[in-house]
Amino acid sequence: QQQVKQSPQSLIVQKGGIPIINCAYENTAFDYFPWYQQFPGKGPALLIAIRPDVSEKKEGRFTISFNKSAKQFSLHIMDSQPGDSATYFCAAASSGGYQKVTFGTGTKLQVIP
Amino acid sequence: DADVTQTPRNRITKTGKRIMLECSQTKGHDRMYWYRQDPGLGLRLIYYSFDVKDINKGEISDGYSVSRQAQAKFSLSLESAIPNQTALYFCATSDPSGGSQNIQYFGAGTRLSVL
Repeated sequence: QQQVKQSPQSLIVQKGGIPIINCAYENTAFDYFPWYQQFPGKGPALLIAIRPDVSEKKEGRFTISFNKSAKQFSLHIMDSQPGDSATYFCAAASSGGYQKVTFGTGTKLQVIP
Repeated sequence: DADVTQTPRNRITKTGKRIMLECSQTKGHDRMYWYRQDPGLGLRLIYYSFDVKDINKGEISDGYSVSRQAQAKFSLSLESAIPNQTALYFCATSDPSGGSQNIQYFGAGTRLSVL
């Protein structure tokens, strides 16, 4: 059972474009939504995160948009650069229970010069 | 993250062999995890441990076992490797004081091929 659905699986954009990666969740107990970035040969690392009490969060060129009623959230990368080429994972976690993190299936982004 | 070290980085083995993947951390975190990454399937949790005496199965634990030798060490074993266990394996840690944030700190991964 995939609790966090992520799309697209892969994405190619030109330098300066704005790639958008979408995620949807089912469990309303989730209250923390991080995005992880993974470069080839490396482990994933936290990029940016949001809580459901806000609809948008920006950190540099990265923006998360959150729609609580639709149970959807997305990552936008402004002015994308070739160095942003990586695999991006959305995720969700809850305060209760064992606080496990559930990851999406990943999006491989390629930014062409 | 250099604070989470996985060995070996690459491993090729044959069907039926027993292998162990090792993870050690210097972050002082109590919580440790083993994930498996497959193309199109993302990161799936195999086992997790919240302290030396607390080990739990994740969503895909069949065919795997773990050992938490110390706070800093968490090993994953494949008792009898099979080809569909070919994947990229990640160890991760987290700090429980982070609450629901539960930020995961990953090692660099072990690429395992079972022939």
